[in-house]
Amino acid sequence: DADVTQTPRNRITKTGKRIMLECSQTKGHDRMYWYRQDPGLGLRLIYYSFDVKDINKGEISDGYSVSRQAQAKFSLSLESAIPNQTALYFCATSDFPGVAGGPSYNEQFFGPGTRLTVL
Amino acid sequence: AQKITQTQPGMFVQEKEAVTLDCTYDTSDPSYGLFWYKQPSSGEMIFLIYQGSYDQQNATEGRYSLNFQKARKSANLVISASQLGDSAMYFCAMGNSNSGYALNFGKGTSLLVTP
Repeated sequence: DADVTQTPRNRITKTGKRIMLECSQTKGHDRMYWYRQDPGLGLRLIYYSFDVKDINKGEISDGYSVSRQAQAKFSLSLESAIPNQTALYFCATSDFPGVAGGPSYNEQFFGPGTRLTVL
Repeated sequence: AQKITQTQPGMFVQEKEAVTLDCTYDTSDPSYGLFWYKQPSSGEMIFLIYQGSYDQQNATEGRYSLNFQKARKSANLVISASQLGDSAMYFCAMGNSNSGYALNFGKGTSLLVTP
């Protein structure tokens, strides 16, 4: 079984609808992240969480909210979806990073992605 | 602010040849990690190699090596003996404590390996 799972894998929705993307992990990692990928722009950080009580905004958090229901679960919500939120969404996890710049620092493990289309 | 630059939108290489994918970065933090990920057409993100800012030697993982030139702030990925399955998007990324240990990605390089 995959260590990081995302549901749904594909979703088509309409403008104005609320939608939730879910992420679960079995790696036992404390840190979880949501990224968005648009063609030609690489991945950009939406939100990240260090534990269930610590949630932080990323580069492009406007229009999104998150919930860390448990160590293993991190959900991303679009309160009122709009077409320019059409993208590929990735969840990722990492362990406590250890020494910055040192070995095995902060490798992130990605889920398979959710392809979201907002019409 | 951190910035990752990948200047090659697309690259071609012949099977069995070596190829270098460029990555430059900008950060004022002395402690950081540099990563390369592969994204095949199926979409998943596959971790390839990591280089720490304090590492004295260039990282290697099988056919992948990272040419780390700290003074020039470059972290180029070298793929030796290219295979058809290496055709994919390749992303360079950097993380450090200032970014909450999240990764800052470049825009990627599309690599096509030809027979």
